[in-house]
Amino acid sequence: KAGVTQTPRYLIKTRGQQVTLSCSPISGHRSVSWYQQTPGQGLQFLFEYFSETQRNKGNFPGRFSGRQFSNSRSEMNVSTLELGDSALYLCASSIETGNFGNSPLHFGNGTRLTVT
Amino acid sequence: KNQVEQSPQSLIILEGKNCTLQCNYTVSPFSNLRWYKQDTGRGPVSLTIMTFSENTKSNGRYTATLDADTKQSSLHITASQLSDSASYICVVSGLQAAGNKLTFGGGTRVLVKP
Repeated sequence: KAGVTQTPRYLIKTRGQQVTLSCSPISGHRSVSWYQQTPGQGLQFLFEYFSETQRNKGNFPGRFSGRQFSNSRSEMNVSTLELGDSALYLCASSIETGNFGNSPLHFGNGTRLTVT
Repeated sequence: KNQVEQSPQSLIILEGKNCTLQCNYTVSPFSNLRWYKQDTGRGPVSLTIMTFSENTKSNGRYTATLDADTKQSSLHITASQLSDSASYICVVSGLQAAGNKLTFGGGTRVLVKP
């Protein structure tokens, strides 16, 4: 079974631009969640989608948004990029139908975003 | 405020030795506690998930313990190997009306030397 696939692997953008990141979950997984990882703040939860609905949201500004398609693939969008948005963005999928229940998260290898 | 604190921040051990990582949390109400291993440049990989009623869980040379009364967990690595060099992240899932929330620890960076 293929793992979680994130594209692109690396991305360089300038301040003020917007960016869209893509995530393909493991086949059969309907829950997809997104995370930001930086050296200073560590891993932080952005949002979680299940069956095309945002089910849970972290404490990030509205510039961060996402969506999930009917095939469970998900995209994350960041508008009006700031230097502080430079980070590794991780996507995870889970077979869990509940909300962060007792099934493991399967992470992709992330998209490294650099904002200059 | 829900918090997860990990210690030490980093440690160096010799190949073949054992080590123990600590995780203290204030998350309440508690749903489960997870340990993940993250190699440099890769996404985290799940090691164990423990619910309130579980005191210990093993995954190969990794053994996690949980004391839900004191809100403490530990991850013990037995007979360390060079491939154990990674960051280990403790994650606690807390029950909330709006849906469970994950709180992440800052991680412990482990370096295994030959």
